[in-house]
Amino acid sequence: ETGVTQSPTHLIKTRGQQVTLRCSSQSGHNTVSWYQQALGQGPQFIFQYYREEENGRGNFPPRFSGLQFPNYSSELNVNALELDDSALYLCASSRGLAGSSYEQYFGPGTRLTVT
Amino acid sequence: AQKITQTQPGMFVQEKEAVTLDCTYDTSDQSYGLFWYKQPSSGEMIFLIYQGSYDEQNATEGRYSLNFQKARKSANLVISASQLGDSAMYFCAMRAYGGSQGNLIFGKGTKLSVKP
Repeated sequence: ETGVTQSPTHLIKTRGQQVTLRCSSQSGHNTVSWYQQALGQGPQFIFQYYREEENGRGNFPPRFSGLQFPNYSSELNVNALELDDSALYLCASSRGLAGSSYEQYFGPGTRLTVT
Repeated sequence: AQKITQTQPGMFVQEKEAVTLDCTYDTSDQSYGLFWYKQPSSGEMIFLIYQGSYDEQNATEGRYSLNFQKARKSANLVISASQLGDSAMYFCAMRAYGGSQGNLIFGKGTKLSVKP
């Protein structure tokens, strides 16, 4: 059973650019959540996808968008990058419906630096 | 609104001793889950232990135990027999059940340093 994978590992972008981060969920998992973790903080929920539909969203502007594909892998897109978008972006997958007790398994993260 | 509070930014413990990491939470939901994650410097969040709000027994997983006091809304993590590899950030998190959104709410974390 393969775990959650994310790509790329590290990324450096310039303010105003756009970025796409990718996540492959764990085998058998149909729910993917994305989190942003700024330096020295706990992760903050961006949004969640369940069976290719957005199932909930945290307090992030619309320039943060996502997709989930039929194989349950997912993308996080951020447009018009700002310096404050520099963070570790974590993807987590889980089995079952949102709100269930199924634990979330996290990937290794993508570290984004915006200059 | 849900909130997790971890009041210890950093903790030191001697190798082979036990350590308690504090976590208090705030929620109006009756059904929820409490989680602890370990985050080494590599960045990956590693699941350690889970406690459901209706579980009467404190959860245990190997050297990890969760001291759940529902009336006080606390969910402290106890690590017994600390090892050098336990040095990492530790995050307490919660999730409310019954709604359509199953996201985790995290605290700010506690940095644990194990001394030889």
